[in-house]
Amino acid sequence: SAVISQKPSRDICQRGTSLTIQCQVDSQVTMMFWYRQQPGQSLTLIATANQGSEATYESGFVIDKFPISRPNLTFSTLTVSNLSPEDSSIYLCSVATQFGNTIYFGEGSWLTVV
Amino acid sequence: GENVEQHPSTLSVQEGDSAVIKCTYSDSASNYFPWYKQELGKRPQLIIDIRSNVGEKKDQRIAVTLNKTAKHFSLHITETQPEDSAVYFCAAIYGTASKLTFGTGTRLQVTL
Repeated sequence: SAVISQKPSRDICQRGTSLTIQCQVDSQVTMMFWYRQQPGQSLTLIATANQGSEATYESGFVIDKFPISRPNLTFSTLTVSNLSPEDSSIYLCSVATQFGNTIYFGEGSWLTVV
Repeated sequence: GENVEQHPSTLSVQEGDSAVIKCTYSDSASNYFPWYKQELGKRPQLIIDIRSNVGEKKDQRIAVTLNKTAKHFSLHITETQPEDSAVYFCAAIYGTASKLTFGTGTRLQVTL
């Protein structure tokens, strides 16, 4: 399985600011994704991070709020912009292995907005 | 898109008993069904998965069954132990996009 590192692991941010989360994979992967898990809830896909092009966002998520970069096959960033308390969640990077649909998750980034 | 329903939302069993969690999906094109275990404060961990060309898969105390006709799949944990206590999520993928749709989760509590 791929080793997926995320940072920061935790952060407390002021409302109105932005937080950028980094995701680093130890091998080249075709597919990278960003998920959100609100407190006590299930996981929801934010977007697919496309290498060298704009991310593909799911319904309810927009680029202005969640800009994503993916400069190469092992790295991606998610920015959560103009933070409000409702953005307090776990943000998870995930990857699909090249030879199947097996999906693995990074350790997650716990965000609290105050 | 895909819709995944999961039941029950909470499940309490005594140590040594079996636990069963059930999920249904809506899109008959779905072809991959993973199960994740999430302990408090940790990320979801893949514990078992099944593909649409297989009806059952087992890994020690954990098994997953898939009924494509009825569009449902289930997680079976036998001889439960306190360390099995966690939230379990089922999920489904369809097509080649590798995008997961998750169920709402089941909080499993194994009591002594």
